[in-house]
Amino acid sequence: KAGVTQTPRYLIKTRGQQVTLSCSPISGHRSVSWYQQTPGQGLQFLFEYFSETQRNKGNFPGRFSGRQFSNSRSEMNVSTLELGDSALYLCASSLTGVPEAFFGQGTRLTVV
Amino acid sequence: AQTVTQSQPEMSVQEAETVTLSCTYDTSESDYYLFWYKQPPSRQMILVIRQEAYKQQNATENRFSVNFQKAAKSFSLKISDSQLGDAAMYFCAYNVSGGGADGLTFGKGTHLIIQP
Repeated sequence: KAGVTQTPRYLIKTRGQQVTLSCSPISGHRSVSWYQQTPGQGLQFLFEYFSETQRNKGNFPGRFSGRQFSNSRSEMNVSTLELGDSALYLCASSLTGVPEAFFGQGTRLTVV
Repeated sequence: AQTVTQSQPEMSVQEAETVTLSCTYDTSESDYYLFWYKQPPSRQMILVIRQEAYKQQNATENRFSVNFQKAAKSFSLKISDSQLGDAAMYFCAYNVSGGGADGLTFGKGTHLIIQP
């Protein structure tokens, strides 16, 4: 069974640009969550999607947005990139009614 | 708001020895889930073990076991017979609903070094 797949693995963007990251969950998993990992702030919850609906959102500015498609694949978008957005972005998927979240390998975003 | 605290930024242990990583959390909920995740240099977060708060019995997965003290809000991870492959960042995490709906709250992590 394939795991959580995130693309791309690495990304370099310029300040002011926007970026879209993709996450394909484990087959059958309908919940997809996104996290930002930085050395200073650690791991922080961005948002969670289930059946194409955002159920929960962390404390991030509106420049961070996401969506989920009918096949449960999810994308997150960051507009007007800032240097502080440089981070590892992790996606996790979960099976309904099961507490574990399974993570992808992440997308390393560098903003220059 | 829930918080998770890992007071040991770094721990070092000799191969084959036992090491315990500490975690405390703060919550007003009575039912919740606790997890330990491992993040090796490959960056992928790997679930090590989970504990349901309503279960009094401590979870065990092979060489990994937890000491869950609900009243003290403590959730430590014991790794027995440490192996070189155990070297990684270890994160303690908390979740109310399970299944990812409310998001995981993570501690800052403990960097575990295994000395050969």
